Amino acid sequence: KFMLNQPQSVSESPGKTVTISCTRTSGSIASNYVLWFQQRPGSSPTIVIYEDSQRYFGVPDRFSGSLDTSSNSASLTISGLKTEDEADYYCQSYDGNNWVFGGGTKLTVL
Amino acid sequence: QLQLQESGPGLVKPSETLSLSCTVSGGSVARSSHYWAWTRQPPGKGLEWIATIHYTGATDYSPSLKSRVTMSMDTSRNQFSLKLTSVTAADTAFYYCASIGGIPNWGRGALVTVSS
Repeated sequence: KFMLNQPQSVSESPGKTVTISCTRTSGSIASNYVLWFQQRPGSSPTIVIYEDSQRYFGVPDRFSGSLDTSSNSASLTISGLKTEDEADYYCQSYDGNNWVFGGGTKLTVL
Repeated sequence: QLQLQESGPGLVKPSETLSLSCTVSGGSVARSSHYWAWTRQPPGKGLEWIATIHYTGATDYSPSLKSRVTMSMDTSRNQFSLKLTSVTAADTAFYYCASIGGIPNWGRGALVTVSS
């Protein structure tokens, strides 16, 4: 069984680039697909990235997902930050047929 | 693209059973390539996986909820369901149904409050 560790919060200015990490505590990050969810205040979570790096329907190409096997982590990178990107972001992966969620990262765009 | 819609009572009394259904449109729940799942999110907290089912009937449950959870599927209604017994206030949450296999899909969620 493993956990996915995310920073509690990150902040960056509009127009800049931010990267949110998701570190797997045991087993290879590449063993199972990683998804990323965005949850704006008062809204349901929506998928932004699936299968490690595939953008979901309607997600702008400012959002990208990647894996780094050297740090055993997945990353969500958002470039050209906009105030509308301010949200909580969750990573999720699989442990067999069980799902594992990261604790979430609050992105502040200021 | 699949669309999923949760339905069920928004208020459940403590010690009773929470029952939710998820109606799938745009495709069949009897797809061999798909699994169907329930997750939840207590207000102000993170996401928690509850259970997964395959059309064969094979299920997987969160170890922390396994003793109280049953997930089932009704192919004639193109639905799958969740039952959670002996609920307490800690089970108050937004409940989401989801599909996995190919492009994933999530419902918009249903708030269930446990209160007398």
